[in-house]
Amino acid sequence: DAGVIQSPRHEVTEMGQEVTLRCKPISGHDYLFWYRQTMMRGLELLIYFNNNVPIDDSGMPEDRFSAKMPNASFSTLKIQPSEPRDSAVYFCASNALGLAGETQYFGPGTRLLVL
Amino acid sequence: SQKIEQNSEALNIQEGKTATLTCNYTNYSPAYLQWYRQDPGRGPVFLLLIRENEKEKRKERLKVTFDTTLKQSLFHITASQPADSATYLCALSGGGSQGNLIFGKGTKLSVKP
Repeated sequence: DAGVIQSPRHEVTEMGQEVTLRCKPISGHDYLFWYRQTMMRGLELLIYFNNNVPIDDSGMPEDRFSAKMPNASFSTLKIQPSEPRDSAVYFCASNALGLAGETQYFGPGTRLLVL
Repeated sequence: SQKIEQNSEALNIQEGKTATLTCNYTNYSPAYLQWYRQDPGRGPVFLLLIRENEKEKRKERLKVTFDTTLKQSLFHITASQPADSATYLCALSGGGSQGNLIFGKGTKLSVKP
């Protein structure tokens, strides 16, 4: 398996623009997590899905952030409009209870810079 | 509120020595604790998981302890090598039917030859 796939790997945009981050989880995994990592705050959970349904979005910082999972193999995290303070590395992770237990498998991340 | 602290941002040791990293938590009773390794420009990679009813777990040169009374986990790397240089994150289960993990900020380990 190719592991968790994220795109793009790097994104540079200007304040006010819409940003869409993409994630393909490991095949067979039914949980998907979106995290944000910064030096100041570390790795923070934004939202997670089970069987394509959002379970907990309490970590989503503002209404400017939204996430969807239209099917088991694809998820998006959208920021609209983007702000400089959204600059961070965004990780997607997946797992499957019963197969991998509670271990989470992370993608390589998307490094976002909002100017 | 729940709080997780990894006691040092950076740890420098000599090759061959044992590295010991600490993870403390407060206002919290996690069912399990995990340790991850993160290399620059990459996502975290799982290393070990230890449950609340386990005192110690080993995997090759790695050892993790979990003291629920002290609310502390220690992560040891014996016979450290320069290739062990990375940032190590502890993560605690956030509760619920699926462990949404709560991560510490990490300790950057540098092993000098």
